[in-house]
Amino acid sequence: ETGVTQTPRHLVMGMTNKKSLKCEQHLGHNAMYWYKQSAKKPLELMFVYSLEERVENNSVPSRFSPECPNSSHLFLHLHTLQPEDSALYLCASSQRGLAGYNEQFFGPGTRLTVL
Amino acid sequence: GENVEQHPSTLSVQEGDSAVIKCTYSDSASNYFPWYKQELGKRPQLIIDIRSNVGEKKDQRIAVTLNKTAKHFSLHITETQPEDSAVYFCAVTPGEGGKLIFGQGTELSVKP
Repeated sequence: ETGVTQTPRHLVMGMTNKKSLKCEQHLGHNAMYWYKQSAKKPLELMFVYSLEERVENNSVPSRFSPECPNSSHLFLHLHTLQPEDSALYLCASSQRGLAGYNEQFFGPGTRLTVL
Repeated sequence: GENVEQHPSTLSVQEGDSAVIKCTYSDSASNYFPWYKQELGKRPQLIIDIRSNVGEKKDQRIAVTLNKTAKHFSLHITETQPEDSAVYFCAVTPGEGGKLIFGQGTELSVKP
């Protein structure tokens, strides 16, 4: 598997469930990101990890909890979600160099439906 | 924080015509301006990008122009083809940060 992969691709969960989204990058990058993409809205940045340290948290509700155990893996733990959290969740990675951050490569996304 | 406005939200052109999408931003320290294409049901993919020390960049039928003084940049697609139909997003990296702030997206439809 090459590039950025995400599992599962589709997820349906109830508001009381706990689930996790997984992202893995095979590009040797040192930064990873979670985005939320809702219909009719731009891509919303949720979290940024650089060198496994969280460097950005855009006022995301605490029912979303990220985890970055190493530079290749990123998780998004979900609990007690709301129907309005239904969206496409995209993971991305990039390489941070001396010139700053570069191109972000996106995974295929997880289509989440909260009932 | 940085604010990115993208226009138009929808654009329909005839095959062979040109298409232009414009984005404006607010943070004068922004230094990286990529454009992503997202086909239906697929992931966003970078099609072209430009850094703040360059005014124009071209790659075959697509080009990006940057006006730092006016704080806007544009995507130009010439000789459009039906396979160019997709949603296009501009993005901005503000200052030293690594995050991308995306525009609202433009749904381009190229009619044969």
